[in-house]
Amino acid sequence: DTGVSQNPRHKITKRGQNVTFRCDPISEHNRLYWYRQTLGQGPEFLTYFQNEAQLEKSRLLSDRFSAERPKGSFSTLEIQRTEQGDSAMYLCASSSAHTQYFGPGTRLTVL
Amino acid sequence: AQRVTQPEKLLSVFKGAPVELKCNYSYSGSPELFWYVQYSRQRLQLLLRHISRESIKGFTADLNKGETSFHLKKPFAQEEDSAMYYCALTGGGTSYGKLTFGQGTILTVHP
Repeated sequence: DTGVSQNPRHKITKRGQNVTFRCDPISEHNRLYWYRQTLGQGPEFLTYFQNEAQLEKSRLLSDRFSAERPKGSFSTLEIQRTEQGDSAMYLCASSSAHTQYFGPGTRLTVL
Repeated sequence: AQRVTQPEKLLSVFKGAPVELKCNYSYSGSPELFWYVQYSRQRLQLLLRHISRESIKGFTADLNKGETSFHLKKPFAQEEDSAMYYCALTGGGTSYGKLTFGQGTILTVHP
C-alpha cells in the first residue's frame, strides 16, 4: 500500500467543461475527506465520507460540485460547468482514527 | 465558527537557533489541535497532535486554552526543518475529523 493516490495529478480545462477527479484511499480507511487549497491559503474542507455515506458538505461546495464514494472505497469529485475560480489544488485524505493521510493532490487549472 | 490563525507567513532562522511558529484558534468547545508539515515536493503529513503530548523531530506544542494558542517550538532548528507548516483543529461530534487549517507558515532554516 503506497498511501492515498489521486488521479489525475494535473488537469487543464476550459471554462464551462466538466471535470472528474478520483481518490483512492488507504485500504480499510473508513473515512475519506476532500479539501481545496488555493495559492497562499491552507486547505479548506469540502466534504467527507464515512464508508459510502457522505456525512457533511461545506458551504464552499456549490451545486456544481458533487462527490461520491460508491461501495466505500474510492471516491470521485466532479465539478460541472467549471469556472476560473475553481482553479485550485484538490486534496484527498483518508483516516481510520485520528490521523489523516493526504494524497498528492490534483491541480486544476481552468482557462 | 471555528478559525485558525497563523500570523506569520514567513519565518527565517539560522541553524541551531530556537524556532517558534505561532498558532491561535477560535472554537466554542474543546478542539483537538494538530500541526501538519509539507516538505518540498512532498505531500502534507501530520507532525504532531496535542492529545498525544509527544515530541516529533524535536518539535513540541502545548495547548494553552486560556490564550487559545498552540504554538510549535523547537529549541535548535535544523536545515531539514525548512518546510511549510500548518496548524489545524477539529471539533467533536459528527464533525470530528473535519479539519480547519490556518494559512500556513513557511519556515526557512539557513545554514
